[in-house]
Amino acid sequence: GAGVSQSPRYKVAKRGQDVALRCDPISGHVSLFWYQQALGQGPEFLTYFQNEAQLDKSGLPSDRFFAERPEGSVSTLKIQRTQQEDSAVYLCASSLTPDGLIGYTFGSGTRLTVV
Amino acid sequence: SQQGEEDPQALSIQEGENATMNCSYKTSINNLQWYRQNSGRGLVHLILIRSNEREKHSGRLRVTLDTSKKSSSLLITASRAADTASYFCATTQRSGGGADGLTFGKGTHLIIQP
Repeated sequence: GAGVSQSPRYKVAKRGQDVALRCDPISGHVSLFWYQQALGQGPEFLTYFQNEAQLDKSGLPSDRFFAERPEGSVSTLKIQRTQQEDSAVYLCASSLTPDGLIGYTFGSGTRLTVV
Repeated sequence: SQQGEEDPQALSIQEGENATMNCSYKTSINNLQWYRQNSGRGLVHLILIRSNEREKHSGRLRVTLDTSKKSSSLLITASRAADTASYFCATTQRSGGGADGLTFGKGTHLIIQP
């Protein structure tokens, strides 16, 4: 597609519920990143994929967070047993090259509110 | 954790004036990038400057990088109302092959008064 597409745009979850957030990167982009952005803050790195391989998951805040990209294109970020502190905008970004030197293209994000 | 700190946190200027935002970071970097984020939207890549570059231009944007001071500045000339947004600097640390996650600052919220 022309850009990075994320769905849903908004998600309200009850505390304890599991959620799945989808990212459709630009076709052919090798690198895919997930970021978490709390209100009034800059995005914080969660995890990185190069094709289907998850090369870095050091930013995932707990074992309730899980990401996958099984065929090297679409990625899903899953959060189990959501907590209020998980409320944030989740951003996906992709890059054509592994080194990201031409910059990253971000999606519009999924705003997750845990009530 | 966040690498950079933008300064100022908020900036309000009149349309047509120039806007300058600064960014400081803590560790050595591979490159530094500036992004714009409109309210409720994703980030838009503006410009990338590599660690061995000192200045870069793109349209009305001018970015400088001083690696000895671990700082960068973004200048927007002849500002327009549409430039109202939050601006973030972001750094990568890893050089060579393999992508590196961006480490963002907290951003500068720029308001252009018509």
